[in-house]
Amino acid sequence: AQSVTQLDSQVPVFEEAPVELRCNYSSSVSVYLFWYVQYPNQGLQLLLKYLSGSTLVESINGFEAEFNKSQTSFHLRKPSVHISDTAEYFCAVSISGAGSYQLTFGKGTKLSVIP
Amino acid sequence: ETGVTQSPTHLIKTRGQQVTLRCSSQSGHNTVSWYQQALGQGPQFIFQYYREEENGRGNFPPRFSGLQFPNYSSELNVNALELDDSALYLCASRYDGVAEAFFGQGTRLTVV
Repeated sequence: AQSVTQLDSQVPVFEEAPVELRCNYSSSVSVYLFWYVQYPNQGLQLLLKYLSGSTLVESINGFEAEFNKSQTSFHLRKPSVHISDTAEYFCAVSISGAGSYQLTFGKGTKLSVIP
Repeated sequence: ETGVTQSPTHLIKTRGQQVTLRCSSQSGHNTVSWYQQALGQGPQFIFQYYREEENGRGNFPPRFSGLQFPNYSSELNVNALELDDSALYLCASRYDGVAEAFFGQGTRLTVV
């Protein structure tokens, strides 16, 4: 079975400062990795994904994440945050090639951007 | 905009009652999954349907059941509601063979 650990439940950061949200996973087989964002009272939006290829993946709004197989990590980073980035962020994994692609989520990290 | 819509957005039920939550997926998304997100937690996988058949289930009791219809809509049914069933229920759909799933905005269920 897979598991996901998000090491920080809450991360406060000042506007325009850099941020890193940490995610570690455990799995005995190859996985796909995802970051989802959830704004208050809304569903989940896919932020970025790692399926294969380059270990560094980027989103259209400036976030990036790097897959590190040896450290079983997929940390999310942004060099300069904006007030609108305030949200909860979920790291998730699914087994690659299994077909079912059910997602196992971490408990989430609440990012609060301070003006 | 994910193209996945859920109804209703909010619902209040009494313990012991039954509830049906609905999801409408994008055309062509023949796989739909349901997740339960308790307050302060990450979503937990309930089950998945592919072409109207259940093909995966998480650690949820049989009183959680579902249906998927040919028109890309689906339902989550919960019988004998318990207080701990209070949560945000999320529907996610995707194309067969594609890992990326698109989520609806969720239904907030409160059991009193």
